[in-house]
Amino acid sequence: DIQMTQSPSSMSASLGDTVTITCLASQDIGNYLSWYQQKPGKSPKLMIYGATNLEDGVPSRFSGSRSGSDYSLTINSLGYDDEGIYHCHQYYEYPLTFGSGTKLEIK
Amino acid sequence: EVQLVETGGGLVQPGKSLKLTCATSGFTFSNAWMDWVRQSPEKQLEWVAQIKDKSNNYATYYAESVKGRFTISRDDSKSSVYLQMNSLKEEDTAIYYCLGWFAYWGQGTLVTVSS
Repeated sequence: DIQMTQSPSSMSASLGDTVTITCLASQDIGNYLSWYQQKPGKSPKLMIYGATNLEDGVPSRFSGSRSGSDYSLTINSLGYDDEGIYHCHQYYEYPLTFGSGTKLEIK
Repeated sequence: EVQLVETGGGLVQPGKSLKLTCATSGFTFSNAWMDWVRQSPEKQLEWVAQIKDKSNNYATYYAESVKGRFTISRDDSKSSVYLQMNSLKEEDTAIYYCLGWFAYWGQGTLVTVSS
């Protein structure tokens, strides 16, 4: 199975900051990587697909990038609405797998 | 507006069965690949099963942890997907989400397996 090692597990940042969350894939997954945002009591929401493509309606403050097997989600100009858990997900190969999640708190 | 509504969750004893239903609207269900994903109380997401569309012969795929116990199926005439869960274990306790194309998520239904 492809392991997605996500870091950090939690982080705290201030309004207006820029933060980066990363996922390391245990083997090649190409660009078959998505990022989801989950707010308390809600289902996950697709933010980025294909490693770098912004889902319709997602603010341009969010961006995805790839460097080899490292995938990153960057959020610029943090706002209170960005608080939540972020999950990475590979859909290159079965079984499909998720990272362990990053809990983002806005100070 | 896209909607996915899961029903059928609840409290069940170990070894028993439960069937989840996901009714959808707002997108072309017959072309969609549909999945079930579950989330543990620790918030870890785990993919459970996928069923492809008719053009892909309704192929199904399962996580190893549920293979042989869970069955995913669909009814294109009702725009619905199902998850039949047999021989349930305590570790199957989770919120179960129905997904379309991995872009559309339902609100989830809670399954608790406990004696």
